[in-house]
Amino acid sequence: AQTVTQSQPEMSVQEAETVTLSCTYDTSESDYYLFWYKQPPSRQMILVIRQEAYKQQNATENRFSVNFQKAAKSFSLKISDSQLGDAAMYFCAYRSGGGSQGNLIFGKGTKLSVKP
Amino acid sequence: KAGVTQTPRYLIKTRGQQVTLSCSPISGHRSVSWYQQTPGQGLQFLFEYFSETQRNKGNFPGRFSGRQFSNSRSEMNVSTLELGDSALYLCASSRTGGGPNEQYFGPGTRLTVT
Repeated sequence: AQTVTQSQPEMSVQEAETVTLSCTYDTSESDYYLFWYKQPPSRQMILVIRQEAYKQQNATENRFSVNFQKAAKSFSLKISDSQLGDAAMYFCAYRSGGGSQGNLIFGKGTKLSVKP
Repeated sequence: KAGVTQTPRYLIKTRGQQVTLSCSPISGHRSVSWYQQTPGQGLQFLFEYFSETQRNKGNFPGRFSGRQFSNSRSEMNVSTLELGDSALYLCASSRTGGGPNEQYFGPGTRLTVT
């Protein structure tokens, strides 16, 4: 079975600084997708960034980028120029690429605080 | 385009009762997934429906069930409620469910069992 581990329950960053959230996963599959989701205090979960395992290039979305190390099964999220609105729970998630099943396997999450 | 809606937003039930939660996906989305979120266990997958068929199921007891209607709206039912069922229940929809498709989450239903 696949597992996702986020080893940092809480992180803090100064506004305008850079922070990196860690995520490791375990799988025997070669085809899969990885995601970072953000859940602000209002509870609506939104997608931050996604990575296809077959792509070597790291995904980037504006201030958000990932460091995908397939051999090490590591998928960290870097947030540059942190803003107050970035404060939220961040979840790393895994989805199998085979078949059509859409369920996500989530890590326990990292609570990010942004200090003004 | 309207987002994923869930009703009710908050619910208080007593042990032993049953409850039905509803989820309306984004128009055009045929896959609906349900997740349970608790402080202790985190986010856990309950089940996924696609075109009215349960396509995938998580490791939850049979007290948890669901269904999907022809308009893609979905309901989940929990019978014989236990205190441990208190959680935030999230629904997510996507066009087909699999692959890199983004899942769009609803605001959740907060269930409290007393």
